[in-house]
Amino acid sequence: GAVVSQHPSRVICKSGTSVKIECRSLDFQATTMFWYRQFPKQSLMLMATSNEGSKATYEQGVEKDKFLINHASLTLSTLTVTSAHPEDSSFYICSARGTYRGYTDTQYFGPGTRLTVL
Amino acid sequence: SQQGEEDPQALSIQEGENATMNCSYKTSINNLQWYRQNSGRGLVHLILIRSNEREKHSGRLRVTLDTSKKSSSLLITASRAADTASYFCASSSGSARQLTFGSGTQLTVLP
Repeated sequence: GAVVSQHPSRVICKSGTSVKIECRSLDFQATTMFWYRQFPKQSLMLMATSNEGSKATYEQGVEKDKFLINHASLTLSTLTVTSAHPEDSSFYICSARGTYRGYTDTQYFGPGTRLTVL
Repeated sequence: SQQGEEDPQALSIQEGENATMNCSYKTSINNLQWYRQNSGRGLVHLILIRSNEREKHSGRLRVTLDTSKKSSSLLITASRAADTASYFCASSSGSARQLTFGSGTQLTVLP
């Protein structure tokens, strides 16, 4: 399947700092990217949907000023966790959807970023 | 988005046995997808079944879809220890085709 990368794979930061996570589609153009959060032993919860060149749509309960999303190109979206606190510690996963081998319905997931806020 | 339900939450079987996982969802769908996740890793797409399909096969995987009951099942035949992972269903709905994930099934295949 298509390849989506995330960077960094793991980050540890102090409370109050901001952390940027990158999500890249490597072999197709992602018209839409999604950001999810996953707590241990739980399922994925959608945080926001972003379309290239437009503002992200956030799910209910997700603070848009805290989780800044930028989707400036068809291959790159970034999630910035601003003023991170310990409760923001989680596994953040992005996915990308675009046309890959003629298919447009499948979301391809990145490997995830483990964020630990001390 | 409201999460779907999956059962069982956990399943432990012997290598060579079949594993069946069930998923229920809440709204009308465009398609339903199944993903696999190894501990601490990203998701791997397994199979997609469209709303007008009732059954689909891919290798050792068989997926069924019953839109009248808003449910789907994933069958893994002749399981292997390497199949040990969490399995999630995800329903795609609406014009944005967002995915709503089920609660997941943790499958353990014992050698």
